[in-house]
Amino acid sequence: ETGVTQTPRHLVMGMTNKKSLKCEQHLGHNAMYWYKQSAKKPLELMFVYNFKEQTENNSVPSRFSPECPNSSHLFLHLHTLQPEDSALYLCASSQGMAGTYEQYFGPGTRLTVT
Amino acid sequence: KQEVTQIPAALSVPEGENLVLNCSFTDSAIYNLQWFRQDPGKGLTSLLLIQSSQREQTSGRLNASLDKSSGRSTLYIAASQPGDSATYLCAVVVAAGNKLTFGGGTRVLVKP
Repeated sequence: ETGVTQTPRHLVMGMTNKKSLKCEQHLGHNAMYWYKQSAKKPLELMFVYNFKEQTENNSVPSRFSPECPNSSHLFLHLHTLQPEDSALYLCASSQGMAGTYEQYFGPGTRLTVT
Repeated sequence: KQEVTQIPAALSVPEGENLVLNCSFTDSAIYNLQWFRQDPGKGLTSLLLIQSSQREQTSGRLNASLDKSSGRSTLYIAASQPGDSATYLCAVVVAAGNKLTFGGGTRVLVKP
């Protein structure tokens, strides 16, 4: 089991709902990431945070809103999603920003938008 | 724009056979390359990380090679076991930071 946890593991929501995904890392890392994994598409980076500051937004629609209150926690707030947003959302963390460090992934949240 | 390709998309081998998984990338100016394993419906587990200055990395039955000039990496898994059945993904980090660009993965089935 990795040091990155995600809750909930499964989520079904309607298009008008508001929900949040939570990620917590217990590894003492400084960088955290959100990825989206859709069927038949490669993993896509969504957001990167370093020392609680957002350093990358990979052209993600505003209906996805990240929040990083500290280096150990990362949230993804969801509102007015579309069915095509159904996917596995993965959180990851790494020790630093240099690209030298491995990224450690959580188990993911399987999101279904109805 | 960096693109990462993994061919084949799926592979089935009998137990005991060696596995060879391919990864190619379009821009050779990478910082490092990482191989991951993903079991169905689960997150990714890091297998090996190869720095751009290295040509290979080994961990147990796994060996990954890197040829930057030709834009290729190969993951070898010796003496495959049914427990090796999973999807294997490669990802590259470009020099500009920590962004991983993933390939589509190779789904491996090792038959007993």
